Amino acid sequence: DIQMTQSPSSLSASVGDRVTITCRASQTISRYLNWYQQKPGKAPKVLIHGASSLESGVPSRFSGSGSGTDFTLSISSLQLEDFATYYCQQSYRTPYTFGQGTKLEIK
Amino acid sequence: QVQLQQWGAGLLKPSETLSLTCALYGGSFSGYYWSWIRQPPGKGLEWIGEIDHSGSTNYNPSRKSRLTISVDTSKNQFSLKLSSVTAADTAVYYCGRKNRGYDYMDVWGSGTTVTVSS
Repeated sequence: DIQMTQSPSSLSASVGDRVTITCRASQTISRYLNWYQQKPGKAPKVLIHGASSLESGVPSRFSGSGSGTDFTLSISSLQLEDFATYYCQQSYRTPYTFGQGTKLEIK
Repeated sequence: QVQLQQWGAGLLKPSETLSLTCALYGGSFSGYYWSWIRQPPGKGLEWIGEIDHSGSTNYNPSRKSRLTISVDTSKNQFSLKLSSVTAADTAVYYCGRKNRGYDYMDVWGSGTTVTVSS
């Protein structure tokens, strides 16, 4: 299985901050990397697919980059509604696998 | 608007079979893979498997021996069966649609909490 490692596992930040979450794959996955946001008690919601494509309806403060094994999710100016848990997922090969998650908390 | 509605038994005893169904409303069933993903309490997401409208499946090898995913195209539904459950199968189970292209999950069900307890 392809292992996905996210860092950090948790992050404290303030409204207006810029934050970056990284995700590393155990082998090359080209650009088959997706980012999801999950709020407590809710299903995940896709933010970014194909490493850098913004899903329709997702605010432009979210952006993704990377290819191969190293990827990042950036949020340019945190809003209150962005405090949630974020997961990366590789869709290069089954079984699809997720990172362990990054919990973004209010400082 | 594409929606997935899921249902199934929420409380099971060890060794029983977990059975969940997911129905598609407002979209096309063909041309996509339909997936199951689970999340144990307080933990991350785990991909279980997927099926397309023709019945072609991909399973997570870690669960394959206990797992059956099936489809009923006449009802726009797909189902998950996981046999011989244990407490380790306690989780929220989500159904979802895998979008073409970079194979991401773009539509999710609301989740079903399944608890395995004697």
